[in-house]
Amino acid sequence: AQTVTQSQPEMSVQEAETVTLSCTYDTSESDYYLFWYKQPPSRQMILVIRQEAYKQQNATENRFSVNFQKAAKSFSLKISDSQLGDAAMYFCAYRRRRGGADGLTFGKGTHLIIQP
Amino acid sequence: GAGVSQSPRYKVTKRGQDVALRCDPISGHVSLYWYRQALGQGPEFLTYFNYEAQQDKSGLPNDRFSAERPEGSISTLTIQRTEQRDSAMYRCASSLVGADTEAFFGQGTRLTVV
Repeated sequence: AQTVTQSQPEMSVQEAETVTLSCTYDTSESDYYLFWYKQPPSRQMILVIRQEAYKQQNATENRFSVNFQKAAKSFSLKISDSQLGDAAMYFCAYRRRRGGADGLTFGKGTHLIIQP
Repeated sequence: GAGVSQSPRYKVTKRGQDVALRCDPISGHVSLYWYRQALGQGPEFLTYFNYEAQQDKSGLPNDRFSAERPEGSISTLTIQRTEQRDSAMYRCASSLVGADTEAFFGQGTRLTVV
């Protein structure tokens, strides 16, 4: 079974600075997807960024980018120019790639605090 | 609809009662998922459907939990003989079919068993 580990329960960063959230995972699959979701105080679940395991290029979405290290099974999220609205719980998630859809496996989350 | 809709948003029930949680997915979304999220934890997969067929129920914690999606649209998650440990946020998500499609989450139902 696959597992996702987020070793940082809480991170704090100054507004406009850069912060990196860590995630490691364990799987025997070779083809899968990795995700970062944001959960603000409203408790919505918002997709931030997605990475396909077969792609070597790291995904980027505006101020958000990932560092995907497949051999190390590591998938960190970098947030540049942090903004107050980035304050939230961030969850790393895994989904194996098959013909159809499949459920997501989530980590326990990292609480990101933005200091003004 | 415009988004995934769950009802009720909040449910307080007495221990031993049955509860039914409803999920109305985005129109046209084939796949529907149920997750449970305890306070301070990430969502935990329970089960999912493609159309009306339940594809995987390996995450259901025990036989008090069941789910159905009889017409391939609205789904109901039922918890029988509720226990305090069932208290959590129950989230539904839906997506188009295929592992490369984005899952959209509903606002969740906060269940409290007293």
